[in-house]
Amino acid sequence: GQNIDQPTEMTATEGAIVQINCTYQTSGFNGLFWYQQHAGEAPTFLSYNVLDGLEEKGRFSSFLSRSKGYSYLLLKELQMKDSASYLCAVRDSRGRGSTLGRLYFGRGTQLTVWP
Amino acid sequence: DVKVTQSSRYLVKRTGEKVFLECVQDMDHENMFWYRQDPGLGLRLIYFSYDVKMKEKGDIPEGYSVSREKKERFSLILESASTNQTSMYLCASSSLTGDRGAYEQYFGPGTRLTVT
Repeated sequence: GQNIDQPTEMTATEGAIVQINCTYQTSGFNGLFWYQQHAGEAPTFLSYNVLDGLEEKGRFSSFLSRSKGYSYLLLKELQMKDSASYLCAVRDSRGRGSTLGRLYFGRGTQLTVWP
Repeated sequence: DVKVTQSSRYLVKRTGEKVFLECVQDMDHENMFWYRQDPGLGLRLIYFSYDVKMKEKGDIPEGYSVSREKKERFSLILESASTNQTSMYLCASSSLTGDRGAYEQYFGPGTRLTVT
């Protein structure tokens, strides 16, 4: 089976740095995604990691350790508009739908940024 | 720019009604997905499709069916709506090719369905 775990809620202040963790247990692994979802809107793609290490994209970075089944999303210089839910999703390399791009989502981390 | 559209943003139906939710994507993507999203439960996959007329069950297919007669369109059908199907329904699509094989999914705006 697949199990993807992330904290339910986090809070931080404007200008700060926040790290959102995600741990996963899947029968296979073929990539990890982070999505951002503002209230009432669709999730939007943030990042993709398939190899170990850090991927940086502006204020956002995502890290992956395949041996530990662990990823984090790092948000720097937080802004009020970063208040949103952040979804961790894993593509399993095995099982029905694995070759078809099927993703398994965590329950999301609701981040609130205070002024 | 990838665009995924859904037929309605808000829908109110009565128990027992047959409900159709439509999703259209304009990027010639092979894969399409239907999810429902509920507070505290996250995104749960109902059905997905990898080609015209092809479909696969997701994790919670009971009470739902799907139709894909054309590549760009994927419909979710609630045969007899029940109150426990009140939820946000999200459609997504993805390609079999992409940046570094990412195959990221692109989501529609969602349909908030209320069954009374």
